[in-house]
Amino acid sequence: EAQVTQNPRYLITVTGKKLTVTCSQNMNHEYMSWYRQDPGLGLRQIYYSMNVEVTDKGDVPEGYKVSRKEKRNFPLILESPSPNQTSLYFCASSLFVTEPAETQYFGPGTRLLVL
Amino acid sequence: AQKVTQAQTEISVVEKEDVTLDCVYETRDTTYYLFWYKQPPSGELVFLIRRNSFDEQNEISGRYSWNFQKSTSSFNFTITASQVVDSAVYFCALSEDENAGNMLTFGGGTRLMVKP
Repeated sequence: EAQVTQNPRYLITVTGKKLTVTCSQNMNHEYMSWYRQDPGLGLRQIYYSMNVEVTDKGDVPEGYKVSRKEKRNFPLILESPSPNQTSLYFCASSLFVTEPAETQYFGPGTRLLVL
Repeated sequence: AQKVTQAQTEISVVEKEDVTLDCVYETRDTTYYLFWYKQPPSGELVFLIRRNSFDEQNEISGRYSWNFQKSTSSFNFTITASQVVDSAVYFCALSEDENAGNMLTFGGGTRLMVKP
């Protein structure tokens, strides 16, 4: 089944404790991205990657890191989480060959609470 | 800068009523793409439709229909004969052709509650 998976789905942590949220897709998509969802703000892009070893900042990158060592994986790293990073996080992927704004398919979401 | 506004934060209807969710966008690009996503209570985001700026034909898919009006920068979504399973948060989103990051700019979402 074609899908985007994220782990963990739920995470409670404390301020300053490094964490990684994994994202994996099995559709051979070039493009992957991370968004966070906050009430009333919709989703905002954190980072994106157009292909292996190519990453760039989205709208709200502060406090986050990413890496793209393999095509299928795009982990989101919070080196020193803070309470304002409490949010619902979504990973997404899409084909990104010649057509702009290809439809992005989203993972199930990771709900993070930073105490 | 691109912007999407969904002025209705919450709508409540009774089953079988028709309901329209409004979406107004701002962009300087002449080529852009508009999307609707559904987020049911389980939390995942379900893709509903993608429309490019050169295709102003309205679209119908079962009980769902979309009205794209460039003149008013709107891309409204209508559910006909609503059902309880339509209860969800609906997001409208925009992506500009010039945006190398393929970034989707989302509206704040409209929570639709369909009561039996």
